[in-house]
Amino acid sequence: GDSVTQMEGPVTLSEEAFLTINCTYTATGYPSLFWYVQYPGEGLQLLLKATKADDKGSNKGFEATYRKETTSFHLEKGSVQVSDSAVYFCALSGQAAGNKLTFGGGTRVLVKP
Amino acid sequence: NAGVTQTPKFQVLKTGQSMTLQCAQDMNHEYMSWYRQDPGMGLRLIHYSVGAGITDQGEVPNGYNVSRSTTEDFPLRLLSAAPSQTSVYFCASSSVGSGGAKNIQYFGAGTRLSVL
Repeated sequence: GDSVTQMEGPVTLSEEAFLTINCTYTATGYPSLFWYVQYPGEGLQLLLKATKADDKGSNKGFEATYRKETTSFHLEKGSVQVSDSAVYFCALSGQAAGNKLTFGGGTRVLVKP
Repeated sequence: NAGVTQTPKFQVLKTGQSMTLQCAQDMNHEYMSWYRQDPGMGLRLIHYSVGAGITDQGEVPNGYNVSRSTTEDFPLRLLSAAPSQTSVYFCASSSVGSGGAKNIQYFGAGTRLSVL
């Protein structure tokens, strides 16, 4: 079945540091890929998405590129802020899965001033 | 601009008690779902619905029931709570169909449940 693996946290960074969160997936065909973010005490919200190979999703300074050859969708941000402290989830929706999402385990990121 | 509303925010139950977690959305979304969030395991799908009167099981449905009598509401029932059901529960909704809006799920703020 479909699965998503992402690096475990927590990841602790200083403000303005570079952030990378690795995400790899297993799925048949061509899934859609997502990054969701969960701020403290809140539900998840969509950060960015990509629906086909080589697509780059971007939002709020974050980027991720859909790499079919390496089955990866790594999240990057060039200069993090304290307000980026959150839990980040990589997720996929398989071609035949309708609206169902499969999530990775989540990566907690803490940015210190 | 309510979006997806979950109640209650917190709940403590004793083993064997029953309760219903409420979820309502005001975006006229056909698809609604329930997830549970446990440390290190991400979110796991409990039940989902693609429209009023239609429900189906997700990855971890045992111990939970759902119904979908209206487009707006999708309650989750715990019939006999167990300590293994201690978790944070999220309701989500999305539209159904082709195009970029499909699969963008909107989440509620969650219900934190403890079963003693």
